[in-house]
Amino acid sequence: KNEVEQSPQNLTAQEGEFITINCSYSVGISALHWLQQHPGGGIVSLFMLSSGKKKHGRLIATINIQEKHSSLHITASHPRDSAVYICAVGKRGAQKLVFGQGTRLTINP
Amino acid sequence: DTEVTQTPKHLVMGMTNKKSLKCEQHMGHRAMYWYKQKAKKPPELMFVYSYEKLSINESVPSRFSPECPNSSLLNLHLHALQPEDSALYLCASSQDLGQRYGYTFGSGTRLTVV
Repeated sequence: KNEVEQSPQNLTAQEGEFITINCSYSVGISALHWLQQHPGGGIVSLFMLSSGKKKHGRLIATINIQEKHSSLHITASHPRDSAVYICAVGKRGAQKLVFGQGTRLTINP
Repeated sequence: DTEVTQTPKHLVMGMTNKKSLKCEQHMGHRAMYWYKQKAKKPPELMFVYSYEKLSINESVPSRFSPECPNSSLLNLHLHALQPEDSALYLCASSQDLGQRYGYTFGSGTRLTVV
């Protein structure tokens, strides 16, 4: 079993819909990262979380340390939000990130 | 400057060629990383440099040779690659090692080995 699991693997929605992507992990962590990758492109860091909730524009990320679970929400989704969203965790005591398999999001106009 | 710049963006090389990938950042970050990403897979860590010294080598074949000539620059020298080495190579940096710091990624070099 992967140490970081994301769901769903693929998500298609209509423009304007509220989007939720989930991430569960099974290890002790120092921080959790949400990353965005457009097709063929580099990776953009969206959030780094160790507790609570963060908001940036239409994006909201939450984390529940006790339940080892994080969610990424997109409000008023837009076709430009179409990308792969990757959850990655920094394992406590380790020097590298552990990545989830990614969620491929497609927003149709 | 809040970017990690990678050059070239695309590279096609033969199996007998020698080429280099370059990564540059001017954020004063002291940790720099090379990742390899195959299509529809998450990135895989290759190397980590901390204060210009190699800190982690994830058992990468010797045909990949990293170099960190100064705190702003990270190179990946390529020699005698195989077609299965074709992938997106991503560079990243962080303020320091450890999990208290965020990461900044470059846009990658798409490598095709023919």
